[in-house]
Amino acid sequence: EIVLTQSPATLSLSPGERATLSCRASQSVSSYLAWYQQKPGQAPRLLIYDASNRATGIPARFSGSGSGTDFTLTISSLEPEDFAVYYCQQRSNGEGLTFGGGTKVEIK
Amino acid sequence: QVQLQESGPGLVKPSETLSLTCTVSGYSISSGYYWGWIRQPPGKGLEWIGSIYHSGSTYYNPSLKSRVTISVDTSKNQFSLKLSSVTAADTAVYYCARHYYYMDVWGKGTTVTVSS
Repeated sequence: EIVLTQSPATLSLSPGERATLSCRASQSVSSYLAWYQQKPGQAPRLLIYDASNRATGIPARFSGSGSGTDFTLTISSLEPEDFAVYYCQQRSNGEGLTFGGGTKVEIK
Repeated sequence: QVQLQESGPGLVKPSETLSLTCTVSGYSISSGYYWGWIRQPPGKGLEWIGSIYHSGSTYYNPSLKSRVTISVDTSKNQFSLKLSSVTAADTAVYYCARHYYYMDVWGKGTTVTVSS
């Protein structure tokens, strides 16, 4: 099973600051990685797929990068609505889908 | 607009079988995609349970495979989850979602509590 490790667990930042979230895979997932945003009481929302492609309607301040085992989600300038929990997810042939443990972006 | 809606009992007794249904609107299940179940225990992260392809083929999380059955009813545009021999550890919000490799449409989720 491929394990995804997200860091940090919590990121305390102010609106307007840059957020950098990390997701590390226990083995290569090529570019088959997605990022989701989840707000309290809501279902997750797809932000980024295939490591670097923004999903429909996602603002340009969200960007993804990486391949292999190391991936990054960057929010260039935090808006008030961006404070949430972020999850990465991989899909691997034959092993199904796994999620990382999440990073909470909170207001400093 | 594609919408998914989970339904089923909110309370299940230990050792019994949890049964949930996801009703899809705005898209025909038989047209394609995988249809999956994901859960989230209180205060914790997301766990993929399993998925079914529109043709009926299934794949499950290895850690839950022995207890999970996912089926599809294309005539009702629904798919269902059965999780047997539940314990308190199965208490969670259960989501259904559409995906190929990534979940692009989610239901709002339904809370299931396992308690006697």
